Amino acid sequence: QQQVKQSPQSLIVQKGGISIINCAYENTAFDYFPWYQQFPGKGPALLIAIRPDVSEKKEGRFTISFNKSAKQFSLHIMDSQPGDSATYFCAASIKAAGNKLTFGGGTRVLVKP
Amino acid sequence: DSGVTQTPKHLITATGQRVTLRCSPRSGDLSVYWYQQSLDQGLQFLIQYYNGEERAKGNILERFSAQQFPDLHSELNLSSLELGDSALYFCASSVEGAQETQYFGPGTRLLVL
Repeated sequence: QQQVKQSPQSLIVQKGGISIINCAYENTAFDYFPWYQQFPGKGPALLIAIRPDVSEKKEGRFTISFNKSAKQFSLHIMDSQPGDSATYFCAASIKAAGNKLTFGGGTRVLVKP
Repeated sequence: DSGVTQTPKHLITATGQRVTLRCSPRSGDLSVYWYQQSLDQGLQFLIQYYNGEERAKGNILERFSAQQFPDLHSELNLSSLELGDSALYFCASSVEGAQETQYFGPGTRLLVL
């Protein structure tokens, strides 16, 4: 059972454009929603995270939008740069269950110069 | 650099064999998580240890086992290896409590021939 569904699987964006990645979850007990960035040959690294009592969180060029009623959240990368080319994973966890991460399938982003 | 170290970086072995993957968490982190990343299954949680005790279990096969030692390093043991066990194995660590951020190591790439 895939509890976190992520789309698209891949996207290509021009430098300076906006990258948008969407995730949907099923388990309403999730209480923490991080996004991870992974470069080839490296481990995932936390990019930004949000809790369900907040509808939006912005850190630099990265913004998470959260819709609790729709059980959806998304990552927006503004002014995309070639250095943002990576695979992005949304995830969800439950603090009371030890914070084990349930990951989406990943989105490979390519930013063209 | 996340501060989490994993050894070895690469491992090539044959079917039926047993291997041990090692993880050293960030200084001060009490929780260790193991994840498997494969092309068909994506990133999946295997098991979590907190201060030496098993805290949560995911889709970990019975052929796999793990432990966390008094110095907080952890080992993941994979036995009776099959071709399908070929994957990247990541260790992550976090500080227990309000902080949910998990810091991932560089991973061990396992190839079973």
